[in-house]
Formats: sequence, C-alpha cells, structure tokens
Amino acid sequence: GQQVMQIPQYQHVQEGEDFTTYCNSSTTLSNIQWYKQRPGGHPVFLIQLVKSGEVKKQKRLTFQFGEAKKNSSLHITATQTTDVGTYFCAIRGGNKLTFGTGTQLKVEL
Amino acid sequence: DAGITQSPRYKITETGRQVTLMCHQTWSHSYMFWYRQDLGHGLRLIYYSAAADITDKGEVPDGYVVSRSKTENFPLTLESATRSQTSVYFCASSEFQDSSTDTQYFGPGTRLTVL
Repeated sequence: GQQVMQIPQYQHVQEGEDFTTYCNSSTTLSNIQWYKQRPGGHPVFLIQLVKSGEVKKQKRLTFQFGEAKKNSSLHITATQTTDVGTYFCAIRGGNKLTFGTGTQLKVEL
Repeated sequence: DAGITQSPRYKITETGRQVTLMCHQTWSHSYMFWYRQDLGHGLRLIYYSAAADITDKGEVPDGYVVSRSKTENFPLTLESATRSQTSVYFCASSEFQDSSTDTQYFGPGTRLTVL
C-alpha cells in the first residue's frame, strides 16, 4: 500500500521559534490531511490539501502541498506552549488513510 | 452531541483472556476504523468497515476480530490477548465518500494493558 515518510520524528524548540514538519511520498497523492494529537489526547483533524502547490493558513500554521503532489509541509511560526503535541500527515489509499509516523513537538519556555 | 465514544477508557487484562473494546458514533457515518498506537509506529490500522456487515483488514489485523451489525457500533475483540497487544486503541469514523469527506473523527481512545 501507499506509504508516507514523515520527518523529523522529534523536535524540541524554544518558545517563539519556528517549527516545520515534512511528509514525503514516492507516489503522486490525491490529497493529504494533517492531524494534531495533544499529549494524552486523540488525533484531531487540522486541514486537507487537494490542489498542486496549495497553501493554506490557520493563524500561525501554514500548510503546503508540493507542486508534484508528492510532499507536504506544516510550518508553525513563533511556537507557543499550546502547540505541543504530535503532528501527523495522512494520505488516502483506497478506502482508508495511511498515517505518517508523526512529529512530536516539544516547546520549552 | 456525543460524537464518537469508546469504552472502556482503561482496561487491564491478563494474557489469554478475551477482551472487547466498544466504539459508538452518533453521526451515522458510513466508515468506521480501528487503529492501535504504539511508540515509534504512529497509528496503524487494524480493521475498518465501509458499512454495516462490511469489514476489511487493515495493516495489523492478526489477533483481532471485528463485527458491525449496526451502523453506529464497531466493537473490536481480542480473542486471546497477548502482551504485544498492550497499546492505545483509537476508533474513528468518516463519511469517506470522496476527497471532500475524507476527514476522520477519532474517539478518546482505550488504553489497554495486557499482563
């Protein structure tokens, strides 16, 4: 089945620093979704990207879908302690989603 | 609006016992999914269901059984629990008809420990 590589696995930042996580696929994707999971919580849908080169913003979060629709990134500007958690990308393969292994973000004061 | 619920939230059992994890959704979503989450492995799909009485295997189905007699319920049974099945289990639901309805909504999870 389809697979997606997500990097980095972990990221520690100081509050106020920027953060980026990347997802890469060897095949062209129909769409890609991003989820956030707070510590002890469950994954929560953030956004879906569908179009080549698409860029969407949610406050300090910027999501980008590559021109070839094989990669995507999530960038957080000026991280805050509320950004702590694990960020997953997910791709559709048939009737199911395949999730990346996630990037765990820790924010230090 | 209850959304999607799971029970129990925490369960401790012993090797060899049968355990059933419950999942209930109130949205009448067609699709339901079971994932397990372990450190370093992200979310791995165990089984999914496209509708009542239609189920299919995911990435890691061995040792698990599912059924879906009603749209709103999707129980997951560990027939003979093993220590390797200690994990956090998430149920999710989705309309999943096309790319505009792919969003999955997750339950709060069940933390299962097999001794």
